Amino acid sequence: DTAVSQTPKYLVTQMGNDKSIKCEQNLGHDTMYWYKQDSKKFLKIMFSYNNKELIINETVPNRFSPKSPDKAHLNLHINSLELGDSAVYFCASSQAPPRLASSYNEQFFGPGTRLTVL
Amino acid sequence: RKEVEQDPGPFNVPEGATVAFNCTYSNSASQSFFWYRQDCRKEPKLLMSVYSSGNEDGRFTAQLNRASQYISLLIRDSKLSDSATYLCVVNKRGDSWGKLQFGAGTQVVVTP
Repeated sequence: DTAVSQTPKYLVTQMGNDKSIKCEQNLGHDTMYWYKQDSKKFLKIMFSYNNKELIINETVPNRFSPKSPDKAHLNLHINSLELGDSAVYFCASSQAPPRLASSYNEQFFGPGTRLTVL
Repeated sequence: RKEVEQDPGPFNVPEGATVAFNCTYSNSASQSFFWYRQDCRKEPKLLMSVYSSGNEDGRFTAQLNRASQYISLLIRDSKLSDSATYLCVVNKRGDSWGKLQFGAGTQVVVTP
């Protein structure tokens, strides 16, 4: 059983297009995240939701909009794609938000979506 | 200065040898620490948490030095399957909801 799943796995698109990535977790976790891993391998938090409420919103262009229809799903929509958006996007979930600083915030990652903007 | 810094490596290690590497963090309010492992083109997975007194999990030993603000990971009796990138992760408790800061990773290559 896949714990955290993302679709699509690969996404190749032209500059200026709008695209969405979907994420689902079946772990019963309260908190979900979107991370971006660029070519330098830094994994940077973009957004986090706890029970459908946005709790972390890093300095990310407005073109990126997350949506959490329920606590098992967190989708990411990107408008007007740019070359610099090319990266691997990871969804993750944890039982509780990071502030509790305990084993409850072990993060389980999805397999990643490799986005290439041409 | 980056919040979490790691030597990118690669650390080339003969099979059976021991390898150790550190990670430094800049925020003294950091409360919890982890090592994640990421295989090539795969997602990160938790390897182990790092406790104040240091802890061991099989061939892996993690240490925390709060005074000098670094954590370390030691791998004994390296196996080929230990080849991966090891990500240092730091959490600052009490900062609103908190968030994990990831290092860029240290690459370990175990050779036969």
